[in-house]
Amino acid sequence: GENVEQHPSTLSVQEGDSAVIKCTYSDSASNYFPWYKQELGKRPQLIIDIRSNVGEKKDQRIAVTLNKTAKHFSLHITETQPEDSAVYFCAASRGYGNKLVFGAGTILRVKS
Amino acid sequence: GAVVSQHPSRVICKSGTSVKIECRSLDFQATTMFWYRQFPKKSLMLMATSNEGSKATYEQGVEKDKFLINHASLTLSTLTVTSAHPEDSSFYICSAARVGTVDNEQFFGPGTRLTVL
Repeated sequence: GENVEQHPSTLSVQEGDSAVIKCTYSDSASNYFPWYKQELGKRPQLIIDIRSNVGEKKDQRIAVTLNKTAKHFSLHITETQPEDSAVYFCAASRGYGNKLVFGAGTILRVKS
Repeated sequence: GAVVSQHPSRVICKSGTSVKIECRSLDFQATTMFWYRQFPKKSLMLMATSNEGSKATYEQGVEKDKFLINHASLTLSTLTVTSAHPEDSSFYICSAARVGTVDNEQFFGPGTRLTVL
């Protein structure tokens, strides 16, 4: 079945610096790749997603890149702020109605 | 739009009792809902996929007789933890995929924290 690996498991950055989190997936049929931010005790919040027909997507300080050939995708957060501190999860799916397979998560700490 | 609710948000029960958790899509219809559990500092682990009007599909290692799932309508799925034991204590989260979209954006409920004494 699908396997999603996520690195690093923890990431500490200084406020204003950039943060990059990387994921690889195993199922070549996956075509939807969302990123979620989860604060303690709360639901995962979708922050950005990308579909397999696109190589890059950007939304203000957040961007995601996808390399289908290598089967990996990355989250880029620029100008990090303390409120970006949270756990970030990547996921992969084959599309509507199909399950999301989550990575193990990355604890991001932004130090002010 | 695309709001998913869960009830209850928190439940404490005695070992051996059964607990029902409801997941509702408030402003959209969902033919497919998903149930996850999450242990502290861990990722979301899919337990089962719930399809309206049919039997749920359980992930490997998840006991279907222990975690009963019913998806009776396009807006409601329920998870019943039967004969709960302390090891069932966890954070249970549902998500719903909206009907009429080709994408697979899933909308998550706020979660239910189950503590079994």
